Amino acid sequence: AQSVTQPDIHITVSEGASLELRCNYSYGATPYLFWYVQSPGQGLQLLLKYFSGDTLVQGIKGFEAEFKRSQSSFNLRKPSVHWSDAAEYFCAVGNGGSQGNLIFGKGTKLSVKP
Amino acid sequence: DADVTQTPRNRITKTGKRIMLECSQTKGHDRMYWYRQDPGLGLRLIYYSFDVKDINKGEISDGYSVSRQAQAKFSLSLESAIPNQTALYFCATSDRTGGLYEQYFGPGTRLTVT
Repeated sequence: AQSVTQPDIHITVSEGASLELRCNYSYGATPYLFWYVQSPGQGLQLLLKYFSGDTLVQGIKGFEAEFKRSQSSFNLRKPSVHWSDAAEYFCAVGNGGSQGNLIFGKGTKLSVKP
Repeated sequence: DADVTQTPRNRITKTGKRIMLECSQTKGHDRMYWYRQDPGLGLRLIYYSFDVKDINKGEISDGYSVSRQAQAKFSLSLESAIPNQTALYFCATSDRTGGLYEQYFGPGTRLTVT
């Protein structure tokens, strides 16, 4: 069965530092992969997605993610973090078939130090 | 105006009460979903609907029921609320003709069962 693992529950980085959030998935075929962000008190907003093609995908707010099939990973990166990036980040994988359902990781909470 | 709206945004209710959470969307999407979010558990799918005549159980449907009144409206009911249904509930939509797995989320309903 498909699954998503986000190994880090909570990460703290300094403002201006680089960021990498880890995501590993389990899926037999080429996965559909997503990163969502949830700001405090808000719903989930799509940051970026990977369906096929170029393995480095660009998203909103200066985020990017790289799909690495050999490592079953889809890590989210940002070169310089802003205080407004403090939020919870969720990685998700499409569960295959025509249902269009997503399986979410448990999330990584990002705190940003001034 | 928001594309996906949820009412109420916050609700406190007592054990045993029936409660309905409502979701409306103006995106014209055919698919709608209900999730619950618990700290440290990510998002789990409760029910999903592909159109008004097609309703499916998700991972954790016990204790919940849904109604798809129209393409734009999808309601979640707790027939007899219990404290462990205290959670943040999200509605989401997606479009079969667009990005199949690309879901758009409402702002959430925080439900507390005392």
